[in-house]
Amino acid sequence: EVQLVESGGGLVQPGGSLRLSCAASGFTFSSYEMNWVRQAPGKGLEWVSYISSSGSTIYYADSVKGRFTISRDNAKNSLYLQMNSLRAEDTAVYYCARDNLGTFGWYYYYYMDVWGKGTTVTVSS
Amino acid sequence: SSELTQDPAVSVALGQTVRITCQGDSLRSYYASWYQQKPGQAPVLVIYGKNNRPSGIPDRFSGSSSGNTASLTITGAQAEDEADYYCNSRDSSGNLVVFGGGTKLTVL
Repeated sequence: EVQLVESGGGLVQPGGSLRLSCAASGFTFSSYEMNWVRQAPGKGLEWVSYISSSGSTIYYADSVKGRFTISRDNAKNSLYLQMNSLRAEDTAVYYCARDNLGTFGWYYYYYMDVWGKGTTVTVSS
Repeated sequence: SSELTQDPAVSVALGQTVRITCQGDSLRSYYASWYQQKPGQAPVLVIYGKNNRPSGIPDRFSGSSSGNTASLTITGAQAEDEADYYCNSRDSSGNLVVFGGGTKLTVL
């Protein structure tokens, strides 16, 4: 079964740090790009970060740039998100999601087809 | 602010057809993908590409695209389709990922 399982969430004080993990199984993890997506309470989905299959290309949303670091260990089938200088507005459920990008005629197609159940991060004093 | 724009809320009578739209400049180059999210659950992909449904998604869900607008159509909406729906693509640069703000679908 294709599966993603996040862990590492919890309660942290403002300014603190947390490291999230995402364990992949059921597919060749090293062949796929991956993302972190978050959802604040009562809000919509917000993309956080992307990493290529080799880890050589990384992108961040402006809201986390300079504070969060995405990484992966293909030997361990794992994705990570190191979160530093946490703020109250980082409070959210964090999901990891598998990335798919391709072309069809003149168009690109893009989608995230496998999602974990999420891990909750609460930033509060 | 999101680079993909969705109506915040839409309602449909049980068994009727509803269209949820998503607008953005990147949709002139990208087919949008669509996700269904029910309370307390992770998003589920329902439409991707030109009009493709992952295994297990009912065929009452379909997608289309014209210009800078993508649409998700539910033909014969069921009570279990009541959920939040999000569109998604890369941004115009192709590097970043964007989500629409979401549409809350109510089935009456």
